[in-house]
Amino acid sequence: QKEVEQNSGPLSVPEGAIASLNCTYSDRGSQSFFWYRQYSGKSPELIMSIYSNGDKEDGRFTAQLNKASQYVSLLIRDSQPSDSATYLCAVNLYSGGYQKVTFGTGTKLQVIP
Amino acid sequence: DTEVTQTPKHLVMGMTNKKSLKCEQHMGHRAMYWYKQKAKKPPELMFVYSYEKLSINESVPSRFSPECPNSSLLNLHLHALQPEDSALYLCASSRLTGAEAFFGQGTRLTVV
Repeated sequence: QKEVEQNSGPLSVPEGAIASLNCTYSDRGSQSFFWYRQYSGKSPELIMSIYSNGDKEDGRFTAQLNKASQYVSLLIRDSQPSDSATYLCAVNLYSGGYQKVTFGTGTKLQVIP
Repeated sequence: DTEVTQTPKHLVMGMTNKKSLKCEQHMGHRAMYWYKQKAKKPPELMFVYSYEKLSINESVPSRFSPECPNSSLLNLHLHALQPEDSALYLCASSRLTGAEAFFGQGTRLTVV
């Protein structure tokens, strides 16, 4: 089992719809979870951090965390063509006595005008 | 200010060259990272520095040599690279290891 798993997509949604991106992780001890957006040829940009079970909202973005199910998701409301990018889920894992952030393979989102 | 600055933005080097990548942050972060990213793949962790000490080396070949001269600077020294080392090299920093990390714009490296 991979440490952090995402569906690679592409996930296509029409403009104005809700995009739902999902991520599962293997380490029950993980405490920190991050969503990054990466446009083609650019570096990852942090869009959300979540540390507690439940929902966290920031503008059009909502991150959801369920530690019992080892599941974290990102909802993008009122999707815009400018949201078209690869979304990377990142999880803080403990490995060999150290904390390190491990990325999923990313989900490519396409917002269709 | 969440800015991490990397130089150069692009680098072409021969297999016998020695070059260095530089990274700087002024956010007071005590953890700094080097990642390597190939096309259509996620960033792959190479090194982690915590309080200016190397804490993680993800079995990176010795032709890559990291250095952390002070809490704001991180270098990656390159020597005798192979064409397969061509990639986007990303520097990131966070308040502490495991906290949310902010990335620089990356150095696009091509080894010829």
